Amino acid sequence: DIVMTQSPLTLPVTPGEPASVSCWSSQSLLHTNEYNYLNWYLQKPGQSPQLLIYLGSNRASGVPDRFSGSGSGTDFRLKINRVEAEDVGVYYCMQTLQTPYTFGQGTKLEIK
Amino acid sequence: QVQLVQSGAEVKKPGASVKISCKASGYTFTANSIHWVRQAPGQSLEWVGWINTGNGKTKYSQQFQDRVTLTRDTSASTAYMEINSLRSEDTAVFYCAREDYDFWRDYVKFDSWGQGTLVTVSS
Repeated sequence: DIVMTQSPLTLPVTPGEPASVSCWSSQSLLHTNEYNYLNWYLQKPGQSPQLLIYLGSNRASGVPDRFSGSGSGTDFRLKINRVEAEDVGVYYCMQTLQTPYTFGQGTKLEIK
Repeated sequence: QVQLVQSGAEVKKPGASVKISCKASGYTFTANSIHWVRQAPGQSLEWVGWINTGNGKTKYSQQFQDRVTLTRDTSASTAYMEINSLRSEDTAVFYCAREDYDFWRDYVKFDSWGQGTLVTVSS
């Protein structure tokens, strides 16, 4: 199984400041078609996860442009340009290169 | 709009079975597969398995394949997950999620999720 590892596990951020979450995979997620098979989800408190980023860097419909995804192979990053109060929750990376699909441990973003 | 509505919370004793439903609306049910994801208290997300709602084909995570059965009723636009031989470690919230499949890239993402069903296993 592909192991997904995230850092940090907790991320205190001041509103208006940038934030970044890192995600590493135990195997390359770069497909032969040159796309990275990685999604990012946000689980807000008391809610179900919601899709933020797919194919490593594509924003899902309705996701604000302050969110961006980058990286390739085994090293990925989710960046938030200017954190807002509504961005609190747990961020998960997930690989869909092969089953079983696997998630990172999650990164909890908190407002300072 | 796309909606997945799951059945309510369940409390079961160890060794019992539970069957959770996930009713879809707002789209053609058989056009998108349904995945199931487990989240134990305070823990991350675990992929349980997947059902092709069109042909009923299933695939399970090895961790769950001996005790989980995924089915669907196309006439009711509803997917089901049954878990047998429940144990205390199965206490978790289970989510169904709709698959958005990119045929050209063979790429899967979950674009809509149910509200979750809490299963509590306790004697």
